Amino acid sequence: DIQMTQSPSTLSASAGDRVTITCRASHNIGNWLAWYQKKPGKAPKSLIYRASSLESGVPSRFSGSGSGTEFTLTISSLQPDDFATYYCQHFTGYPLTFGGGTKVEI
Amino acid sequence: EVQLVDSGGDLVQPGRSLRLSCTASGFTFGDFAMAWFRQAPGEGLGWVGVIGNRVYGGTTEYAASVKGRFTISRDDSQTTAYLQMNSLKTEDTAMYYCSRVRYDSRGYLEASDIWGQGTMVTVSS
Repeated sequence: DIQMTQSPSTLSASAGDRVTITCRASHNIGNWLAWYQKKPGKAPKSLIYRASSLESGVPSRFSGSGSGTEFTLTISSLQPDDFATYYCQHFTGYPLTFGGGTKVEI
Repeated sequence: EVQLVDSGGDLVQPGRSLRLSCTASGFTFGDFAMAWFRQAPGEGLGWVGVIGNRVYGGTTEYAASVKGRFTISRDDSQTTAYLQMNSLKTEDTAMYYCSRVRYDSRGYLEASDIWGQGTMVTVSS
């Protein structure tokens, strides 16, 4: 199975900050990676697919990069609505595992 | 409006069964795979399994922790996906979400893009 490791697990930031979250895969997954945002009591929201493609309707302050085993999600200027937990998920073979999540808090 | 509605969550005793439903609207259901995820209290997201669409054989895949106990199915005429959960364990307690999973142009799954609101399953005696 492919293991996905996110870092940091918690990130403290302020509105306006540039934030970067890292996701590492235990094996080469090409660019088969998606990023999601999760808030308590809410359904997950899709942000990025294929490592760097922005889902429709997602603000351009979100961006993704990377390939192979190392990936990043960047929020260029953190907005109050962005305080949430972020997850990566690979789409190369089963099981389609998630990273452990990165909580972005004030 | 593109929407998924999860339902069927309940409080059940260990060893019992439960069936969750995920009803879709606003898009061509048969064009997509459907997946189930869960989030236990205080934990991260976990993948439960997926069912392909008819074009790609309607095949199913499961996480090791639920294989042999859980079954995913779909009824395209009702635009609904199901998660049949048997032999439930206390560790299956979680919020369960369904999602629509998109194929790329070559038929590979590439991302979940629409999610249901979730339905809570509590397994306890």
